[in-house]
Amino acid sequence: QSVLTQPPSASGTPGQRVTISCSGSSSNIGSNYVYWYQQLPGTAPKLLICRNNQRPSGVPDRFSGSKSGTSASLAISGLRSEDEAAYYCAAWDDNLSGQVVFGGGTKLTVL
Amino acid sequence: QVQLQESGPGLVKPSETLSLTCTISADSFTNYYWSWIRQPPGKGLEWIGYIYYSGSTNYNPSLKSRVTISLDTSKNQFSLKLSSVTAADTAFYYCARDKLKLGELDYWGQGTLVTVSS
Repeated sequence: QSVLTQPPSASGTPGQRVTISCSGSSSNIGSNYVYWYQQLPGTAPKLLICRNNQRPSGVPDRFSGSKSGTSASLAISGLRSEDEAAYYCAAWDDNLSGQVVFGGGTKLTVL
Repeated sequence: QVQLQESGPGLVKPSETLSLTCTISADSFTNYYWSWIRQPPGKGLEWIGYIYYSGSTNYNPSLKSRVTISLDTSKNQFSLKLSSVTAADTAFYYCARDKLKLGELDYWGQGTLVTVSS
């Protein structure tokens, strides 16, 4: 059972806008940055969104992140076939001595 | 450009110790948190822990009793040891660099599959 909660799957057609949610608590999302990772099949995860809504260099502006309270969202606009991947949210959790916690991941299918 | 590469045995027997090394191609170790993350085949990501360039460490509480992460700056490497492994420890193991300690894992190795089996 993951500390952060994501829907297991999402889908959309090319050109559509898709959002993926990530729910946490006051000890993680509520008080720390949220990060999003994209994992293409057979590859290592890649940092997609940092510090709630910042895009690292090279990430298309079709990808955007937001955070409100203890929840966060990843939006992908102008969906493309190459966006088919697993997406994970992550945050620091202040409980105990602190740790990075991940969501269970959302598998995005481009129909 | 920062590159990370995991190395180590792909097969470990139950009850033994899993040992992996991450070799870093980078200008400097300083001011970063060098991390290990794992992913059972077909499942999600689990943070194992990190070591700061100063040598301080922090581990996932659920693994803390079995994990040791160490750093060898002379070799540009950091290592993971996980003791008393079981089949549940079978996973892809990734090393990564965390910029802020907060989960900002900006560079990752390609990952290595470690299978626990007799």
